[in-house]
Amino acid sequence: QVTLRESGPALVKPTQTLTLTCTFSGFSLSTSGMCVSWVRQPPGKALEWLALIDWDDDKYYSTSLKTRLTISKDTSKNQVVLTMTNMDPVDTATYYCARTFFGENFDYWGQGTLVTVSS
Amino acid sequence: QSALTQPASVSGSPGQSITISCTGTSSDVGSYNLVSWYQQHPGKAPKLMIYEGSKRPSGVSNRFSGSKSGNTASLTISGLQAEDEADYYCCSYAGSSPYVFGTGTKVTVL
Repeated sequence: QVTLRESGPALVKPTQTLTLTCTFSGFSLSTSGMCVSWVRQPPGKALEWLALIDWDDDKYYSTSLKTRLTISKDTSKNQVVLTMTNMDPVDTATYYCARTFFGENFDYWGQGTLVTVSS
Repeated sequence: QSALTQPASVSGSPGQSITISCTGTSSDVGSYNLVSWYQQHPGKAPKLMIYEGSKRPSGVSNRFSGSKSGNTASLTISGLQAEDEADYYCCSYAGSSPYVFGTGTKVTVL
């Protein structure tokens, strides 16, 4: 059974760096084809893809946010970490991690974690 | 990379069929057969409904079907049911900035 769970702070201040962790089970990120992505959704708005890391440690980022994002993995802990620098109130959103197989679609999702950016 | 364009809302009566369009460009929808569709109920995570344009994951009702023509993909829900009321998002592989989601469509069952 594949599960993913996001964890991190619920509240961050403007200009701070956000660090989110995705802890997963039921698959291994060392298996060929396996990837994990981060997707966010501001309240009442659409989904936005942020970043992906694959089994070979290749990393891909949203063009508009790539200067602020870093994605990494710890295969032994079954975790993927996303950092986003210089947080702003417009970054307030629910952040999801999702599994991707060969990058074709997002077949399993975490329940999401709401991050509010406010002073 | 601009978001794919979807109608803001679509509605139908129980038992009817509705179609949601998803319009992109020759750089995303038009270039790859990698459009997926997601259903999202309020307060819940998205759920994969269609992948590779027209394939259904195990467990998804065959009332959901997908297609593509040129730069536009479509999701059709036949035999509309109350439980289908949700937000729906398309997503396409886009090459350099790999993924782009649609603007989202709210489906209302009258």
